[in-house]
Amino acid sequence: GQQLNQSPQSMFIQEGEDVSMNCTSSSIFNTWLWYKQDPGEGPVLLIALYKAGELTSNGRLTAQFGITRKDSFLNISASIPSDVGIYFCAGHPYSGAGSYQLTFGKGTKLSVIP
Amino acid sequence: NAGVTQTPKFQVLKTGQSMTLQCAQDMNHNSMYWYRQDPGMGLRLIYYSASEGTTDKGEVPNGYNVSRLNKREFSLRLESAAPSQTSVYFCASSEWTGAEAFFGQGTRLTVV
Repeated sequence: GQQLNQSPQSMFIQEGEDVSMNCTSSSIFNTWLWYKQDPGEGPVLLIALYKAGELTSNGRLTAQFGITRKDSFLNISASIPSDVGIYFCAGHPYSGAGSYQLTFGKGTKLSVIP
Repeated sequence: NAGVTQTPKFQVLKTGQSMTLQCAQDMNHNSMYWYRQDPGMGLRLIYYSASEGTTDKGEVPNGYNVSRLNKREFSLRLESAAPSQTSVYFCASSEWTGAEAFFGQGTRLTVV
C-alpha cells in the first residue's frame, strides 16, 4: 500500500516552544488529515485538508496541504503540557486500488518539558 | 454524542479461540473501517466497508473477517486467534470513503 513518511519520530520540547512536524509521500494524495492520540484513547481529528496549498488553523495548530500534493506539515505554537501525545498524519491516495484507504504515518511522539 | 462505540474494551484470548469485536456508530456515516495499531507501526487498515452491503480488504486482512450488519454496525471476527493478533483494534467511520474518519476508543486484545 501507500506509504507516508512522518518525521520526526519523537521530539522533546520546552513548554512555550513552537513545534513542527511533517509527512511526505512518493505519490499524490487527495486529502491530508492530522490526528492526535492520547495514551489509551483513539485518535482524535485535529485538522482536515482537501485542497493543494490549503492552510488551515485550529487554535494553536496550523496545517498545510503541500502544493505538490505529496506532503503536509503541522505546526503547534506556544506548546503546553496537554499537547503531549502522538500525532499522526493520514491521507487518501489520489487514485487506483486503495484510493479509498485512509493511510497513516507512523506518528510523532511529542513530549513537553514544563 | 456517543460517536463510535466499540465493545469490548479489553479481551484476553487463548490461541485458537474465536471472538467478534463489535462496532457501532450513530453519525449516519456510510463508511466504516477496522484498523490495528502495533507499537511503531502506526495504524494499519484491516478491512473497510465503503457503504452498507459492501466490504473490502485493507492492508492486513489475513486472519480476519468482517460483517457490515447494517448502516450502523460493522463487526470484526477472529476465527482462530494467534499471538500475532495481539494488538489494539480501532473501529472508525466516515461520511464517505474520502472524508475524515472518526475513531472509537479501541479494543485491547491479547492472545496468549
